[in-house]
Amino acid sequence: EVQLVESGGGLVQPGRSMKLSCAASGFTFSDYYMAWVRQAPKKGLEWVASISYEGSSTYYGDSVKGRFTISRDNAKSTLYLQMNSLRSEDTATYYCARHVNYYVMDAWGQGASVTVSS
Amino acid sequence: IQLTQSPSLLSASVGDRVTLSCKGSQNINNYLAWYQQKLGEAPKLLIYKTNSLQTGIPSRFSGSGSGTDYTLTISSLHSEDLATYYCYQYNNGLTFGSGTKLEIK
Repeated sequence: EVQLVESGGGLVQPGRSMKLSCAASGFTFSDYYMAWVRQAPKKGLEWVASISYEGSSTYYGDSVKGRFTISRDNAKSTLYLQMNSLRSEDTATYYCARHVNYYVMDAWGQGASVTVSS
Repeated sequence: IQLTQSPSLLSASVGDRVTLSCKGSQNINNYLAWYQQKLGEAPKLLIYKTNSLQTGIPSRFSGSGSGTDYTLTISSLHSEDLATYYCYQYNNGLTFGSGTKLEIK
């Protein structure tokens, strides 16, 4: 069974940093591109970032470019999202997702809640 | 590419045929998927590449469309279909529509 489990969320002050992790199991992690998607409270879905199989290529949404960094450790089957210079508008549930069939996302974690507030 | 979903809220009865719309600001070349998100849950993939049904999804869900205009149809609404539905394009960048909230009358 494919499982994605996010961790590392919580409350953080504006301007500070936070790192999310996503532990994958039930599939060969290194065979898939991976992504982060977020959802602000009572809002829609927003793609945040994606990463290639070995991590050599990364892609970011405009709202996080230059502040967030996606990375992966295939030996640990773990995806990461380093978030710097956090803003109140980054408050959201962050989902880890697996890419298939070009860039469709077919498996999702349960989400990690990040609240940026003083 | 920006995606506009309509309606934003839809109320329908069990057994109804329901149609949700998604319109792109540019040609999407059929690289369009649909997700279902129930309250408090992660999104679930229903349809990809316009009309391909994801494994395990009931056949009452179907997708169609081309160019800039796409549709998700539920042939006979079930009570468990209460959810918000998002379209998602992956032809040029990755973007989600704003969602259609489906209520059961």
